[in-house]
Parts: sequence; structure tokens; C-alpha cells
Amino acid sequence: AQSVTQPDIHITVSEGASLELRCNYSYGATPYLFWYVQSPGQGLQLLLKYFSGDTLVQGIKGFEAEFKRSQSSFNLRKPSVHWSDAAEYFCAVGGGGGADGLTFGKGTHLIIQP
Amino acid sequence: NAGVTQTPKFQVLKTGQSMTLQCAQDMNHEYMSWYRQDPGMGLRLIHYSVGAGITDQGEVPNGYNVSRSTTEDFPLRLLSAAPSQTSVYFCASSLLAGDYEQYFGPGTRLTVT
Repeated sequence: AQSVTQPDIHITVSEGASLELRCNYSYGATPYLFWYVQSPGQGLQLLLKYFSGDTLVQGIKGFEAEFKRSQSSFNLRKPSVHWSDAAEYFCAVGGGGGADGLTFGKGTHLIIQP
Repeated sequence: NAGVTQTPKFQVLKTGQSMTLQCAQDMNHEYMSWYRQDPGMGLRLIHYSVGAGITDQGEVPNGYNVSRSTTEDFPLRLLSAAPSQTSVYFCASSLLAGDYEQYFGPGTRLTVT
């Protein structure tokens, strides 16, 4: 069965500092990997996705993520965070052409310090 | 183009009551799904549908029913609400099953007392 681990429940970063959110997955074949962001009281918005090809993917809002097959990781990065980046971030995995949806990690809550 | 819409936004039920959470999409997506979000648990798949007339169970289907009579609508029914069903419910859709680029609705916050 596929699974996703986000080791950090909370992360606090100063505004303007760099950010890295960790995601490790377990999946038997080549995974489809996603990062979603959820602002308070809102639904989920897709930040970026990896299906195949270049292992460094660019997303919206200045985010990027790197797929590392050898480490089963898909970490999310941003060079300089803004106060508006404070939110909950979810990593998710799917694949195999199946219809059984996405498997989500438990989320990382990002706090931005002024 | 409204995307994925959900109603109501908030609901309070008493144990044993029934209700239907509504979900609609106007993107002509074949695949629709329901997730529940609980603190510290992420999102878990309840039911999904790969097209009109076809539904299947996800990870946590007990206590919930779904139907898909049209491409646009995918209602989620709670037949006899329980406090364990207190959660935030999200509907999502994607163009095709296996597409995985899912678009999420704004959610319904349900409290069962």
C-alpha cells in the first residue's frame, strides 16, 4: 500500500528565510507526487506536481520540489518565504492509473515569524 | 466556471440524524471523490466515482453512501450521523480517473453532537 510521511508537524521560519518541507513516500512503481497548500478555512490548492521527466519541478507562488527516487523523497522548497505563505502543506502520492485517489501525508503547519 | 462547489459550508447534526452533503463541478470531469479531513490525520478517501453510474469505496467508507446520477453531481449521504463523523469534508474532481490532478471544493465543516 502506498503511504506518505511528512516528518515535521510544525515548522517556524522567519520571513525572508528559505524553506524546505520534507516528504517521503512509499510506492511500488513510479509515483505521481503532489504538493497542496491549504490556507485557514479554505480548500486545497495544487502547488506543483511530478509525473515524469525533469526531477526538479516548478510550481506556483515561487515553490519548487525535487523528486529523488533513491531517497523516496519529494521535498518542497522556497528560497524566501512571505507572511502569506503561512498555511498547512500536504504532500500526496498517487499512481498506477488506478481510480483510488490520492494518499495524503498528515500535513506540515508552516508558521512565519516577522 | 465555478469549479467545484460544496453546500452547505457548515452543518450541525444530532446523533442519528441524516443529511446529504452536496458537491457539483462544471468542468465536465469524469472522476469525483470525497475526502474527510481530521486533525493530525491528513485527508482520507471516503468514496469515489469514475463516471456517471459508477461509484466505489475508498479508505473510510463506513457510515457514508454516494451516488452519481449525472457527471456534474456527487452527493455524500450520512444515513445516521455519529460523533465520529465530525470532520471537514472535501469534494474533489479530476478530468479522468488516474489523472490525479484533482481540484478541491471549499469544504463542509460538519459537527455531530
